[in-house]
Amino acid sequence: AQSVTQLGSHVSVSEGALVLLRCNYSSSVPPYLFWYVQYPNQGLQLLLKYTSAATLVKGINGFEAEFKKSETSFHLTKPSAHMSDAAEYFCAVLGNNQGGKLIFGQGTELSVKP
Amino acid sequence: NAGVTQTPKFQVLKTGQSMTLQCAQDMNHEYMSWYRQDPGMGLRLIHYSVGAGITDQGEVPNGYNVSRSTTEDFPLRLLSAAPSQTSVYFCASSYRTGSNQPQHFGDGTRLSIL
Repeated sequence: AQSVTQLGSHVSVSEGALVLLRCNYSSSVPPYLFWYVQYPNQGLQLLLKYTSAATLVKGINGFEAEFKKSETSFHLTKPSAHMSDAAEYFCAVLGNNQGGKLIFGQGTELSVKP
Repeated sequence: NAGVTQTPKFQVLKTGQSMTLQCAQDMNHEYMSWYRQDPGMGLRLIHYSVGAGITDQGEVPNGYNVSRSTTEDFPLRLLSAAPSQTSVYFCASSYRTGSNQPQHFGDGTRLSIL
């Protein structure tokens, strides 16, 4: 069965510091992987997706993620955090059963300190 | 360009009451789904539909019913509300089953069961 694990339910960084949110997946087939962001009282917005075209994926708002098959990881990074980046971030893998459902990690809440 | 529209945004129910959460999309998407979001648990799939007239159960279907009579609408029914169903509910849609096209999310319905 496919699964996603996000390491760290809360991450706190200072404004201007590197953001690193960790995601590891389990999949028996080449996966489609996604990062979503959720701002308070809003739905989920797509940050970026990996579909096997390139291992380094660039998304919106300066975020990027690197697919590493050997480590089964898809960590999300941003070189310099902004206050507006404070939100909850979800990693997800597209399942190969149940009609292709998205399987989500438990989420990581990012706080940005001034 | 409305995307995915959920109504109501907030609702308080008493135990045992029934209600329907509405979801509509205007993107002619084939795939629609309902998730619930609970703290520390990410998003869990309740029910999904791969097209009009076709629905199936997700990870946590008990206590919920769905139908898909049109491509645009995918209502979620709570048959007899229980406090354990207090949650934030998200409807999502995507172009095609199992595709790598991202799912588009509504803004959510925040439901409290007293």
